[in-house]
Amino acid sequence: EDQVTQSPEALRLQEGESSSLNCSYTVSGLRGLFWYRQDPGKGPEFLFTLYSAGEEKEKERLKATLTKKESFLHITAPKPEDSATYLCAVLGNQFYFGTGTSLTVIP
Amino acid sequence: NAGVMQNPRHLVRRRGQEARLRCSPMKGHSHVYWYRQLPEEGLKFMVYLQKENIIDESGMPKERFSAEFPKEGPSILRIQQVVRGDSAAYFCASSGGALAYEQYFGPGTRLTVT
Repeated sequence: EDQVTQSPEALRLQEGESSSLNCSYTVSGLRGLFWYRQDPGKGPEFLFTLYSAGEEKEKERLKATLTKKESFLHITAPKPEDSATYLCAVLGNQFYFGTGTSLTVIP
Repeated sequence: NAGVMQNPRHLVRRRGQEARLRCSPMKGHSHVYWYRQLPEEGLKFMVYLQKENIIDESGMPKERFSAEFPKEGPSILRIQQVVRGDSAAYFCASSGGALAYEQYFGPGTRLTVT
């Protein structure tokens, strides 16, 4: 059965303290892995798409990487405005979303 | 540069009433997806539509729920005879085509059934 598991569920960081969020997946015929950011009361905001193992993408303080079984979202020197829930999704026969990692960055 | 629009943003219905949720995709997008999000749960895929066609409705309950995306106008998610368990946030997303996998989400409609 296709599924997506994100860890940790919640993460508190001091401003400037770098860390990584994990997304592990099992899917038949991966067609893409996606990262989104969701702020409270809002819809998810698209961040990255990764298509194949070894691929990396960067945007400001965020960097996403992909292996055959998992993806990491690395956050370098986070700021309080990076506080949000980060969602991972995979596309096999349909889209499957993880439950997210709630990130809090403390000033 | 209008994004995906959903209305209403908040909807309150009594048990047994009907709920109609609307979604206007991003300009130039012809693919629409509906998701349901319950507190503490992830987004659950419901249905994938193109103009005038339902492509995949495997995530949608067989009864009381229906969706359409007419040639003109917004996509509609319709829930008949709502029950308390239907209370959730419903999100619509759109993408540019069958091979354009990036989905752009609307702000959601929060349905409360009393």
